[in-house]
Amino acid sequence: KAGVTQTPRYLIKTRGQQVTLSCSPISGHRSVSWYQQTPGQGLQFLFEYFSETQRNKGNFPGRFSGRQFSNSRSEMNVSTLELGDSALYLCASSWTPLGQGLRRETQYFGPGTRLLVL
Amino acid sequence: AQKVTQAQTEISVVEKEDVTLDCVYETRDTTYYLFWYKQPPSGELVFLIRRNSFDEQNEISGRYSWNFQKSTSSFNFTITASQVVDSAVYFCALSEASGTASKLTFGTGTRLQVTL
Repeated sequence: KAGVTQTPRYLIKTRGQQVTLSCSPISGHRSVSWYQQTPGQGLQFLFEYFSETQRNKGNFPGRFSGRQFSNSRSEMNVSTLELGDSALYLCASSWTPLGQGLRRETQYFGPGTRLLVL
Repeated sequence: AQKVTQAQTEISVVEKEDVTLDCVYETRDTTYYLFWYKQPPSGELVFLIRRNSFDEQNEISGRYSWNFQKSTSSFNFTITASQVVDSAVYFCALSEASGTASKLTFGTGTRLQVTL
């Protein structure tokens, strides 16, 4: 099975611009989560999508948004970019069993998108 | 609130040495999951192991072993006979089972440098 793919891998933007990152989960996985990794803050949870609905959201400003399509592919968007948004953005997918219960499946990560804001 | 602490920022060892990476977690949930991930310089997080809070059995996978102790809220990772290819940043993570969503809370990571 192919792993999680993310595009683009590298991106350079300037302050004030907006950016859209894409993530294709492992086939059959319906949950997609996004994380931001910076040297100062480490790995932080952005949001999770399941069946085209946002199930959970981290503590990020409204400039960070996302969506999920019917094929489970997901995009995240950052508007009005700031220098501090420079980071590695990681997407992860997991399989969600029917009748979710309390089980937590393993999240498998993609290679990430490195965003540099100038 | 859940929290994961990896007190060791960086560890340097010589090849063939054994090394243990520490992980201490905090959670109010009785059901939770613990994970270890490896991040090589390429950036991708590679899954190593997943443990649920009801399974305190230690696990060994080749040169890797994990020691889970609920009494001390620790989930330590040992690499036996380390190799240069083990050089990476290792993250411990926690996922609580309450609610419908899953979210990983990561520690700050331990950078392991293995030299010849």
